[in-house]
Amino acid sequence: DGGITQSPKYLFRKEGQNVTLSCEQNLNHDAMYWYRQDPGQGLRLIYYSQIVNDFQKGDIAEGYSVSREKKESFPLTVTSAQKNPTAFYLCASTGDRQQFFGPGTRLTVL
Amino acid sequence: GIQVEQSPPDLILQEGANSTLRCNFSDSVNNLQWFHQNPWGQLINLFYIPSGTKQNGRLSATTVATERYSLLYISSSQTTDSGVYFCAVGGAGSYQLTFGKGTKLSVIP
Repeated sequence: DGGITQSPKYLFRKEGQNVTLSCEQNLNHDAMYWYRQDPGQGLRLIYYSQIVNDFQKGDIAEGYSVSREKKESFPLTVTSAQKNPTAFYLCASTGDRQQFFGPGTRLTVL
Repeated sequence: GIQVEQSPPDLILQEGANSTLRCNFSDSVNNLQWFHQNPWGQLINLFYIPSGTKQNGRLSATTVATERYSLLYISSSQTTDSGVYFCAVGGAGSYQLTFGKGTKLSVIP
């Protein structure tokens, strides 16, 4: 089945630790995105990548980092510099101008 | 950047009722999409509709780009329609989408 997978579904982290969220797609899409969603809010763009080995900051990139070494994969690292990392993180890719989403990762900082 | 406003913020319907959700945006766009987020957080793409009208079963959408708004119609609502509906827009030459804050729909039996 074609789609976008994210892992893990739930993640707990202690303050001061870096953590990496996985995002994989087998849709052969060039563009991939990371969003953050806080309760009762819309989605805010963290980073996006249009092609392999290239990515751009979104509206809230501070405290996050990404890599795009393969077309299928776009991992997101939440660093200890992110002041309020507890949120729902969504990965997406775009094909034929439509955006499709993975199931998300809920990150909780203890 | 482009501002996106959705209304109403909350909507409660009896099963079988019809509804209209609105999305206003502040600048010209060449990309507009509607999404449904279910109670488990999964977002589903409903429509790519930068202009014109589209229909898919009980759902239809209309975008009037010159007047900077889009409408999502839900007819004969079902409990499975519950969730949050988001409108997202993108400007010319942009790979980014800006999301509204959504309309939370609750359909009660």
